[in-house]
Parts: sequence; structure tokens; C-alpha cells
Amino acid sequence: QKEVEQNSGPLSVPEGAIASLNCTYSDRGSQSFFWYRQYSGKSPELIMFIYSNGDKEDGRFTAQLNKASQYVSLLIRDSQPSDSATYLCAVRVYNQGGKLIFGQGTELSVKP
Amino acid sequence: DTAVSQTPKYLVTQMGNDKSIKCEQNLGHDTMYWYKQDSKKFLKIMFSYNNKELIINETVPNRFSPKSPDKAHLNLHINSLELGDSAVYFCASSPLGGASYEQYFGPGTRLTVT
Repeated sequence: QKEVEQNSGPLSVPEGAIASLNCTYSDRGSQSFFWYRQYSGKSPELIMFIYSNGDKEDGRFTAQLNKASQYVSLLIRDSQPSDSATYLCAVRVYNQGGKLIFGQGTELSVKP
Repeated sequence: DTAVSQTPKYLVTQMGNDKSIKCEQNLGHDTMYWYKQDSKKFLKIMFSYNNKELIINETVPNRFSPKSPDKAHLNLHINSLELGDSAVYFCASSPLGGASYEQYFGPGTRLTVT
């Protein structure tokens, strides 16, 4: 079982729709959860992080965390073609020197 | 003002050669990392240094050797390069402390071994 799992996609949504990206993790010692966006040929860019159960909103983005289900998601409202990228879920496990364990990423395509 | 910078951006070399990638951050962070991203976009931690001290050393061939001359720099030296070393290598940095441990990535170095 992979430590952090994401659907590789591609996930295709029409412009203006809500894109829902999901991530599950296996280590219950996981402490913090991060969503990075990576455009083709570019470096990962931090969008949001969350470490408490529930929702965290930042503009069009909402991160949701459910530690009991070991599940974290990212919702993108009013999706734009510029949101088309690969979204990487990352997990930081307690007492492992701050390293991030990444999922394989979900490719999102927003169609005009 | 580049926060995390890497040189070179592209590196093409032949099998068996030795090469280095340099990384510098001007964010004042205490911790720096090297990640490898393979052709399937999977990003995996290799090493981490905190204030020049090695704190993470994943299962990486000992042909890879990180060096941190000071907390703003973390270089990666690779000996006897192999075809399988072809990948994009990212340097990252983060501040010490706090639950967030936000990591900021450099632009990456695309290594191609022929």
C-alpha cells in the first residue's frame, strides 16, 4: 500500500465548475497535510496546508481533512483554465525530520 | 529576488561522469531538502539538512552525496552517473518549527544521462 494515494487522472472539468481532488494516507502519525500545484515543467507551488480536522478556505480553494478516515481533499470552486495543472498531495509525519511524503499527483484539466 | 535557486537548470551528461547541482536559499530557513521527481512525476525525498546537519537520508545510492557548507546552501554531488539517475532534482527549504513546515521549492534541475 502506497503511503499517500491520489487518483492520477486526468480529471477533466468544465470552466466554472467545482474540481474535487482527493488524497488518502496510510500513516496515522501524519500531522500536516499540504496541497501543491505543479504546472508542466515548473516546480511545485504551495497552495494550502491543513492540520486540523474540518475545512480550511482560501479564496477559491478549500482543503478538507478527516483524520479518522485518513482522507484529505482539495476543492477548487469556479475552476479556470489556468487551474489546469498537476496537484500534489503531501503529508508530513510526526517526528520524521519534517520530510514530506508525496502522492503521485492528480492531473486536472479545466476546459473552456 | 529568487527565494530558492538552483544551478544548472539543465544538465546533460554521459554515464559514468560525476556532476554537481547547487542550491541556495535567501529565505533565512534552517532546513533544506533534495527531492527527485521521476518521469511519472512522483516526487520523493532524498536528503534533508538542518543547520548544516544531515537529518534525513533516505534509501539513496551512496553515489549521491549532499554537502551543506552553510545553512543557506545545499549542494548535491553525484558520482558515476547512471541512466536511471535521469530525473528532475528539486531543492527545497523550510523554516524550523510549527506544524505547517511549509516547504518552498527551487526551479529544478533536469538531469539527462545518456
